[in-house]
This record gives sequence, C-alpha cells and structure tokens, in this order.
Amino acid sequence: GQQLNQSPQSMFIQEGEDVSMNCTSSSIFNTWLWYKQDPGEGPVLLIALYKAGELTSNGRLTAQFGITRKDSFLNISASIPSDVGIYFCAGQHPVRTNAGKSTFGDGTTLTVKP
Amino acid sequence: DTGVSQDPRHKITKRGQNVTFRCDPISEHNRLYWYRQTLGQGPEFLTYFQNEAQLEKSRLLSDRFSAERPKGSFSTLEIQRTEQGDSAMYLCASSFIRLAKRTDTQYFGPGTRLTVL
Repeated sequence: GQQLNQSPQSMFIQEGEDVSMNCTSSSIFNTWLWYKQDPGEGPVLLIALYKAGELTSNGRLTAQFGITRKDSFLNISASIPSDVGIYFCAGQHPVRTNAGKSTFGDGTTLTVKP
Repeated sequence: DTGVSQDPRHKITKRGQNVTFRCDPISEHNRLYWYRQTLGQGPEFLTYFQNEAQLEKSRLLSDRFSAERPKGSFSTLEIQRTEQGDSAMYLCASSFIRLAKRTDTQYFGPGTRLTVL
C-alpha cells in the first residue's frame, strides 16, 4: 500500500529554535493534514492544506502543500516547551475516490530543552 | 459540544475476552472513522461510517472485529476473543461531508488504550 515517509523521526532542540519537518509520499494527495499528539491522547489537528502550493499559518506554525502534491512540510518558529509531542502528517485522496480516509506518517517526536 | 469523546479511556482485559468501545462524534458530523495506533506508528484506518452505513472496512479488521453506528450518531467497536496483538490505542474521528466537498477534515477523540494480557 501507499506509504508516507516522515522525517526526521525525532528532534532534540533548544527552546527558541525553529523546527522543520517534512513528509513525502509515493502517490499524489489532494489534502495534507498536520496533527500533534500528546502522550495518551488523540491527535489534534493543527493545519489543513487543500491546494498544491498552499502555504498556511497557525500562530507559530506554518505548513506548505508541495507543488508536486507528493510532499508537505511543517515549520515551527521560536519553539517553546509546550511544543513537545509527536507531530504526524496525513494525506488524503479526494473523498469521492477513497472515502477521505487519511494515511498517516509515523510521526516526528519533538523534544524541547528549556 | 466540546469534541469527539471515547469511552472507556483505558481497558485491560485477559486474552479471549470480548471488549466494546464507544465513540460519540461531534454533533451533526455525518462521518465517523475508527483507526488503530500502535506504539511508534501513526494511526491506521480500520473502518468508517457515513450516517449509519458502514461504507468501508480495512483488511486490518478481522472477523473478530465489528463496528456499528445504529442511529447515525454514536458508534461502538467490539473485539471478540481478544488476542495480545490487539493491544493498541483505538481512535475515533468524525467529520462533516457535503456532496460537493472534496476533502474530509477529521477531528479525533482521545482514544481508548486497550491492553490484552
């Protein structure tokens, strides 16, 4: 089946640093989603991207939908300790062709040192 | 409404027992999804409902698994004769789909952590 390759697998950074992570796919997606998951909780939606080339911000977070529709990246600026968690990318095909179900990467674990 | 809720949050059971989980979606959401997540992995799709109709099931969903959404609102996921390999976090997500919409933005619940001893 299709796979999403998410990198890096983990990051250890100092508070205040910027963070960048990305996802690549072997197939084209029509939607890219970025989620954050805290231990023992479900994923929380951070940013949704619906068009190739789209650049969307949510506070200190910025995500882009790659032009090829096979990749996306997420940037976090000026990291703070509460940014700690696991970040997941997810891709979706059009609802009419594949039910809108999401295919997830395996996550990037972010650790922020105060 | 504060979001998707799931019950119980944790379940410990012995191998061979049956377990049932409940999911209450965001009100007025017409789609409901079940995913399974194991440690170090992203969520994997299991099945989904549009209103009360179960429209797709993953190959991950063996015959021991059954899901229902009888009135198009809450859903239950039952696992019969549990095995140790069933230990995972079971996540529910909901969304609202319009016919002309090409995307499906899903909002997740907190999950049910299942441990099979």
